[in-house]
Amino acid sequence: EAQVTQNPRYLITVTGKKLTVTCSQNMNHEYMSWYRQDPGLGLRQIYYSMNVEVTDKGDVPEGYKVSRKEKRNFPLILESPSPNQTSLYFCASRGTGLEETQYFGPGTRLLVL
Amino acid sequence: RKEVEQDPGPFNVPEGATVAFNCTYSNSASQSFFWYRQDCRKEPKLLMSVYSSGNEDGRFTAQLNRASQYISLLIRDSKLSDSATYLCVVNPFYKLSFGAGTTVTVRA
Repeated sequence: EAQVTQNPRYLITVTGKKLTVTCSQNMNHEYMSWYRQDPGLGLRQIYYSMNVEVTDKGDVPEGYKVSRKEKRNFPLILESPSPNQTSLYFCASRGTGLEETQYFGPGTRLLVL
Repeated sequence: RKEVEQDPGPFNVPEGATVAFNCTYSNSASQSFFWYRQDCRKEPKLLMSVYSSGNEDGRFTAQLNRASQYISLLIRDSKLSDSATYLCVVNPFYKLSFGAGTTVTVRA
């Protein structure tokens, strides 16, 4: 079954405590992204990766890091989380064709106290 | 100006009604267009692609107007299960741009 998995699904943490949200896809997709979703703002792209070792900033990259060492994995790292990073996070992957469907992971709800 | 703008709604309609809403996009170079559906803060899922000539998928009809830079979604014979947020998605190149969503609530 084609899928994107994320872990953890729910996380409560405190300001400044480094955390990593993992993302993995089994569709051999080149393109992977991270989004955050906040009420009234829709989905905003944090970082994306066109392939292994190729990453770039999206619309809201401040406070986040990513890496793409393997094609299937694209972890999101918050080195020093702050309360304004409380959000719902989605990982996504797709092939490179214009009409390719983007598949989303189930989401990670993060609360930073 | 946002890249993709949608009427947030909500659109409250009775079962069996027809509901339609639009989405405007700012980048005239956009090449592909989609509607995604999102249920109650779950992950978005593809509802349908939008083609230049317009297309249908069962009770759903999507239209594209390149001249005026908008796409539309029409839902006929609404079902309770159609209650969701509908996201307009535009792909200028490789990066998808998402609207904030239009909420539709179908009541019995």
